[in-house]
Amino acid sequence: DIVLTQSPALAVSLEQRATISCKTSQNVDNYGISYMHWYQQKPGQQPKLLIYEGSNLASGIPARFSGSGSGTDFTLTIDPVEADDIATYYCQQSKDYPTFGAGTKLELK
Amino acid sequence: QVTLKESGPGILQPSQTLSLTCSFSGFLLSASSVGVGWIRQPSGKGLEWLATIGWEDVKHYNPSLKSRLTVSKDTSNNQVFLKITSVDTADTGTYYCAHSRADYYDGSPDWFDYWGQGVMVTVSS
Repeated sequence: DIVLTQSPALAVSLEQRATISCKTSQNVDNYGISYMHWYQQKPGQQPKLLIYEGSNLASGIPARFSGSGSGTDFTLTIDPVEADDIATYYCQQSKDYPTFGAGTKLELK
Repeated sequence: QVTLKESGPGILQPSQTLSLTCSFSGFLLSASSVGVGWIRQPSGKGLEWLATIGWEDVKHYNPSLKSRLTVSKDTSNNQVFLKITSVDTADTGTYYCAHSRADYYDGSPDWFDYWGQGVMVTVSS
């Protein structure tokens, strides 16, 4: 299986930029498509899709969120961070059967 | 408007079979490139994909759990089901069903764009 590694936590100030990384144990690109997706989850809520196929913004998601990367290294960027963005963020790959990273908890400095 | 809602027994004992139902609306599971997946989350922990069923009854399972899982659907009633046999305390957690984009050729799941609110399942003696 493909293992996804995320840092457990990231502290950021409001109105600053947050960059959340996800590294995969194998290349998750194929024919120019990155099979990497990002989700936001707040306590007591279901996950919400933010980014699909590496860099495509999901419907209704503000442009403050963006995704980048390829191969085995991917990044979710939030710029600027708003109070409503405090949550846990998960990456997920679908190059092989779906696996998720352990999540990065975004905290306020 | 796509909606999904999970239902289940709440609590069950070790060695029993867990039966979950996902009732959905706003899309057709018979449409190509559409699937419904099951993902679970132990309390305070991360997400684990379990299984996905797509159009034409294509099914995909997490290899580590495949022997215990059965996913099925009732297209006419817009429902998807998941059974997990021989449960133990490690199966305790919140179970989500989610609409997924699926690969056109083999139905393998891609991303999950609509999620149910989840149902809590506790395995305890």
